[in-house]
Amino acid sequence: DAGVIQSPRHEVTEMGQEVTLRCKPISGHDYLFWYRQTMMRGLELLIYFNNNVPIDDSGMPEDRFSAKMPNASFSTLKIQPSEPRDSAVYFCASSINDRTALHFGNGTRLTVT
Amino acid sequence: GESVGLHLPTLSVQEGDNSIINCAYSNSASDYFIWYKQESGKGPQFIIDIRSNMDKRQGQRVTVLLNKTVKHLSLQIAATQPGDSAVYFCAAGGTGNQFYFGTGTSLTVIP
Repeated sequence: DAGVIQSPRHEVTEMGQEVTLRCKPISGHDYLFWYRQTMMRGLELLIYFNNNVPIDDSGMPEDRFSAKMPNASFSTLKIQPSEPRDSAVYFCASSINDRTALHFGNGTRLTVT
Repeated sequence: GESVGLHLPTLSVQEGDNSIINCAYSNSASDYFIWYKQESGKGPQFIIDIRSNMDKRQGQRVTVLLNKTVKHLSLQIAATQPGDSAVYFCAAGGTGNQFYFGTGTSLTVIP
């Protein structure tokens, strides 16, 4: 079991640049979640998908953030343009079905200068 | 909505002692709870879960207790080991498929 795979592990970019974070969920998991973790706010849910369809994106901070899931094995979170306040660790998680434990990847640490 | 908080941001215990980490939640409709362990540089790792139809659940060296009356749950770690040093989060299952995470308790095991 490879677990949830995220790339890149670290991303450093300049303000205004586009950032794309990638996630491969565990095979067979129907739900995929994007979380952001900061010291100040802890773990915040940004968006989640069920069977590749976005269900709740109310946590997405603003229009600069977008997420897609073109197929069951791949999702992206894009920030365009990036800002220093977007600096955080972004986690992807998947779960096998409704109301079951989330399995997290090891995250992408994003630094925007 | 739901708010989840842990009672102590940090906890230090001697190796071999038992650890207890507490968590409170606000929404009485929450019916599924999970404890996670997060080590530095890694994502949260599932430890144990409990549903609201249970008061207690045991795993390997860990026990979760749920008190729905006061909306409180705890994680007990028996014979704490240095490898248990990490940040521990509780998560409460809210409406839909959302989970609300507490702010975490950092556990340090003193050899």
